Amino acid sequence: DVKVTQSSRYLVKRTGEKVFLECVQDMDHENMFWYRQDPGLGLRLIYFSYDVKMKEKGDIPEGYSVSREKKERFSLILESASTNQTSMYLCASSPAPRTSGSGETQYFGPGTRLLVL
Amino acid sequence: AQSVTQPDIHITVSEGASLELRCNYSYGATPYLFWYVQSPGQGLQLLLKYFSGDTLVQGIKGFEAEFKRSQSSFNLRKPSVHWSDAAEYFCAVGLTYTGTASKLTFGTGTRLQVTL
Repeated sequence: DVKVTQSSRYLVKRTGEKVFLECVQDMDHENMFWYRQDPGLGLRLIYFSYDVKMKEKGDIPEGYSVSREKKERFSLILESASTNQTSMYLCASSPAPRTSGSGETQYFGPGTRLLVL
Repeated sequence: AQSVTQPDIHITVSEGASLELRCNYSYGATPYLFWYVQSPGQGLQLLLKYFSGDTLVQGIKGFEAEFKRSQSSFNLRKPSVHWSDAAEYFCAVGLTYTGTASKLTFGTGTRLQVTL
């Protein structure tokens, strides 16, 4: 079974702090993703990575950065946390597309619920 | 750009009753469609997916979904709901981004409540 783990289930930080959210997958997947989930808005893609050191912006990258130094690990960084970044953060991984038109299944971690005070 | 609409924010059904959750998508090409379920405080678990072929797809936990191209729909069904099915359900459409990664666009979710 694919396993995606996230470093914390719950996190409380102060405004202005630098926050690191860590995600690790054990299936040698090329692609990794960070989403935030808010009530009534569903999941929105923040950033994704298709290879080590490679990253692409998603739909809502403002206020976030990412790092992927090793294939199995993908970090989300909040440079200066703000209260509007209070949310549930979900990490996912998937294999690289087998063809240019294939859609691969994403496998999700349990999520990190972040509260910024 | 692709989009997914789940018109029902909240649905309540009695245990043992049938269930249908609606999903409509907007996408210019052949879509890759997914249904995920999220139990309270948990991550998302894949229920089923449609890539091609038979338009009626079977998934885990007794769920099925039918792809209807003419209606741009991918509705999720279950003939008899169990109390443990209470959760939030997300429909998603996938596309390949520059051939290097597959992105998913999610609907806003439908929360299912099951009464005993």
